[in-house]
Amino acid sequence: SQTIHQWPATLVQPVGSPLSLECTVEGTSNPNLYWYRQAAGRGLQLLFYSVGIGQISSEVPQNLSASRPQDRQFILSSKKLLLSDSGFYLCAWSVRQRMVLGGYTFGSGTRLTVV
Amino acid sequence: DAKTTQPPSMDCAEGRAANLPCNHSTISGNEYVYWYRQIHSQGPQYIIHGLKNNETNEMASLIITEDRKSSTLILPHATLRDTAVYYCIVRVVENSGGSNYKLTFGKGTLLTVNP
Repeated sequence: SQTIHQWPATLVQPVGSPLSLECTVEGTSNPNLYWYRQAAGRGLQLLFYSVGIGQISSEVPQNLSASRPQDRQFILSSKKLLLSDSGFYLCAWSVRQRMVLGGYTFGSGTRLTVV
Repeated sequence: DAKTTQPPSMDCAEGRAANLPCNHSTISGNEYVYWYRQIHSQGPQYIIHGLKNNETNEMASLIITEDRKSSTLILPHATLRDTAVYYCIVRVVENSGGSNYKLTFGKGTLLTVNP
């Protein structure tokens, strides 16, 4: 069966420090991968999505970047964190060719607090 | 993707049916209706989806009106663990490009199940 792993679960980082959040998927090949962010009291915002290795699409301009070095690995990074980067970060995957079957599967999320 | 309208909040007594409405009056013929829910501090969870026929699974039932301009998610016997934000999303599922894989979340309905 397919599983999605996301870590760490919580993270407290000072302003100006770097960030690296990792997400891996098991039990599937060629998934579409996504990074979402949910700020406190707000909705889910799509940050990045990837349809293949090295293929990254950014949805909103921001202080973050994403990379996909392997088929089932998706990394969210920042060189210098801002206070506004605080939030709940979620990774998700979907089957590339047949999204209608079950939609997205989300990871358990990383709660990032920038202090 | 078609825009959806949901009430911001609803209450339901434990053990009773919870009926969550969603309006999607601009839905196109090739757009599916998806429902997800997000329990506090967790990632969203897929519930059910449909095109034009009513659907039922172990979690819920989805009733789509004949003109497809609205739908209702039914939790037949709500429990306290069903307290969550419920998202109704409509989207096309063609494979013509990477952008068609995006899932856009609105504000959803906060369902509170009371004892």
